Amino acid sequence: GAVVSQHPSWVICKSGTSVKIECRSLDFQATTMFWYRQFPKQSLMLMATSNEGSKATYEQGVEKDKFLINHASLTLSTLTVTSAHPEDSSFYICSATAGGPGNEQFFGPGTRLTVL
Amino acid sequence: AQTVTQSQPEMSVQEAETVTLSCTYDTSENNYYLFWYKQPPSRQMILVIRQEAYKQQNATENRFSVNFQKAAKSFSLKISDSQLGDTAMYFCAFMNPQGAQKLVFGQGTRLTINP
Repeated sequence: GAVVSQHPSWVICKSGTSVKIECRSLDFQATTMFWYRQFPKQSLMLMATSNEGSKATYEQGVEKDKFLINHASLTLSTLTVTSAHPEDSSFYICSATAGGPGNEQFFGPGTRLTVL
Repeated sequence: AQTVTQSQPEMSVQEAETVTLSCTYDTSENNYYLFWYKQPPSRQMILVIRQEAYKQQNATENRFSVNFQKAAKSFSLKISDSQLGDTAMYFCAFMNPQGAQKLVFGQGTRLTINP
């Protein structure tokens, strides 16, 4: 199957700083990328949908200015958590799809963010 | 809006047994896709099986099969001859192929295979 990478795999930062997480599709061009957040022992919660070259579409309740998403190319999307606070600590997962009805989403391995 | 419900938070079976995980969903759409994803302790999401709603035949992938009941809006996953490596969280997911093709996940079922 197709491979999606995330970097970093884990990050610890101080409260008030910003953190950038990268999501890359390694062997295919991703027309759409998705960002999820997962709390311990819970399901994945979709944060936003990102299409290359256009603004991300955020789910209700997700702060656009807090979670900045950039999809600069067909293989790279970034999520920047701005002015991070301890409540932003979570597991962030991206997925990517090459498009087409019902096409499989390929998931990255996730990034664990801890804000002190 | 579509919703997906997994009513079994946890399940546990012995190795080599067969186990069935339940999933129900709610939608007014006629054409859609359903998925089962596995998330092992590594937390890497892995696609287990995929079902297209317009196909009446139940999808099968080796030891994994589904029982898709469209009228009842039910999509259960059967794992035959369970193995220790099947221990994971299992998520049922719904996708509407129109628009953004977002996945809507259920709450998950934690499956433990005991030796």
